[in-house]
Amino acid sequence: LAKTTQPISMDSYEGQEVNITCSHNNIATNDYITWYQQFPSQGPRFIIQGYKTKVTNEVASLFIPADRKSSTLSLPRVSLSDTAVYYCLVGNAGNNRKLIWGLGTSLAVNP
Amino acid sequence: GAGVSQSPRYKVAKRGQDVALRCDPISGHVSLFWYQQALGQGPEFLTYFQNEAQLDKSGLPSDRFFAERPEGSVSTLKIQRTQQEDSAVYLCASSLWQAGGGTDTQYFGPGTRLTVL
Repeated sequence: LAKTTQPISMDSYEGQEVNITCSHNNIATNDYITWYQQFPSQGPRFIIQGYKTKVTNEVASLFIPADRKSSTLSLPRVSLSDTAVYYCLVGNAGNNRKLIWGLGTSLAVNP
Repeated sequence: GAGVSQSPRYKVAKRGQDVALRCDPISGHVSLFWYQQALGQGPEFLTYFQNEAQLDKSGLPSDRFFAERPEGSVSTLKIQRTQQEDSAVYLCASSLWQAGGGTDTQYFGPGTRLTVL
């Protein structure tokens, strides 16, 4: 199972775009990249998933370069309510759907 | 219900007591996961069910931990003879089983915070 590396923490201000990069050098051919968000005292919540190039939804964008060894979660115009821990995970439908969760990136959005 | 529910939300146990944590997944979700999350850490995989079958229990830390999902819906995580190191938040997640390459979106409950004194 591929492991991921991401910054422990980031700071930003309201209205800014935030980009969180995740490294996954050992990603397998059939692995997908998924990001989750977790607020204090809550379970994680799915944000976005992608395999290659760019994926966008109403919450975020996910950029994946051709070699797929890294990915970047982009949060446009963050607000105070985006303060949370963001997890990058790599996995596929095999391995009994087991996902390896790292420490995540603790994002603090300041007024 | 609309989401995954877990009970109790908080549990305080004396060292050596047995505890049982309940998870009610989203109706119709085939897959069910249990995770342990220590303070400041990411969730750690404990076990996985597909319907009533426990397909993976490689993450259970010891034989004091036992999980079941007898009818393929509600699941219970039982911890026998609790120890202080068992103190953590226990998260349950469920998902639809989707054919295809990507990982299924996991829907998490709020967790049960277990404190062992």
